Parts: sequence; C-alpha cells; structure tokens
Amino acid sequence: AAGVIQSPRHLIKEKRETATLKCYPIPRHDTVYWYQQGPGQDPQFLISFYEKMQSDKGSIPDRFSAQQFSDYHSELNMSSLELGDSALYFCASSEFQDRDSGANVLTFGAGSRLTVL
Amino acid sequence: AQKVTQAQTEISVVEKEDVTLDCVYETRDTTYYLFWYKQPPSGELVFLIRRNSFDEQNEISGRYSWNFQKSTSSFNFTITASQVVDSAVYFCALSDTNNDYKLSFGAGTTVTVRA
Repeated sequence: AAGVIQSPRHLIKEKRETATLKCYPIPRHDTVYWYQQGPGQDPQFLISFYEKMQSDKGSIPDRFSAQQFSDYHSELNMSSLELGDSALYFCASSEFQDRDSGANVLTFGAGSRLTVL
Repeated sequence: AQKVTQAQTEISVVEKEDVTLDCVYETRDTTYYLFWYKQPPSGELVFLIRRNSFDEQNEISGRYSWNFQKSTSSFNFTITASQVVDSAVYFCALSDTNNDYKLSFGAGTTVTVRA
C-alpha cells in the first residue's frame, strides 16, 4: 500500500539558510499535518491543511511557512534557520471523510531529519 | 485543552518480561480518539492502535494489549513476553476532534529490552 512520502530524508544546512521539505500524502488523502520532533522530545504539531487551505496552526515559527498544492502534496519552507530548528520533521495525512466514521488515522511519513550547523 | 501524560520516562526489562506503559489523558471533548505509536531507533512513527471514547473494550493483538478505562482517563499499553525488537519509544496520543483531528502526544516512554 502507498504510504506518505517525505523528501529529503536528511538535510544539512547552515545557520540563516533556507530549507524546503516536501510531503506527498497517501492517494485520496486530503488533509496534511506537519509535526516537529526535537531531540528527545515528542512530536509537536506545526500546521495542517485540508483541501489546500490551512485548517489549523500550532507552534509554528513565523520563519516557517507551508502550503498544500492542487495535487495535495505539501511543502514546509523554513527560512533564517537556527540551530534549534534541528529536528525530525514528520508529515502525516488523513482522509476527511473517515473522521465521522472514526476511521480517521493519521498515517505518518518516515520523517525528514534537518540538521542546522 | 488536550493533554497526555506518560509518567514513565524510561523502562528497562529483560527479554520475556511483561512491560506496561501508562497513559493518562485530559480532554473536554465527549468524543475523542486515543492512539499508541511506536518509534523505533530508525525514527519512523508506527501506528499501533486507535480507540474511540465510546469503546471501552480492551483489545489484544498478539503480544500487545490495551486497557482503556474512561473512569480514570487512562489508556495503558502492555507488551507481554517482551523481545529485543520491542525496544523503542512509545507515544500515547489524543486526537482533537474540534481541531482537525490533530494529535497531541505524550512525552513518550523509552522501552529498552535487554537480551
């Protein structure tokens, strides 16, 4: 079965540089979530999109932006990178119509590990 | 506000021992979903189980079992006859049905199974 695809899997950047992470959800999934997991931390919700519109926002820095495109893939753009941005970034997807039935389960990608030097 | 508490930071056991991971949650929602995810050293998040708030039946899947008690707001997870491959960080999570079903995670419990 198709899974959530994230790229790149690993990324190394210098401070003040910009990074872009991509997420390709499971086919037919219309909702995408981004999470950030710092070392030894639990995943923290950043932002979500439903049908290409931002649906919820968590503790996402102003230096970060994201969008969902017409093919439902999503990109997380991070500018002016700081050392503290080094983390594992997860994308997850789900299908809206599964929510009421209780079948909604977020399926996570393998994550993109960003290292800021 | 949603909150998930996993009081155990680390648990170390010898192979074949049973291990129980505690999870306590807080929510004002009447309908909610609870999850357990496993994060092995390779880093991916692996879905283990989902339970909705109306279904208090305990569930067993192989060596894994879950005990959901709404009265105490707990959703505990037991690994029976642990194996080295069970070594991972385990996260309990709560779905916010009022906010896009996003997940709030507990801090995680690191389980180390020694041969």
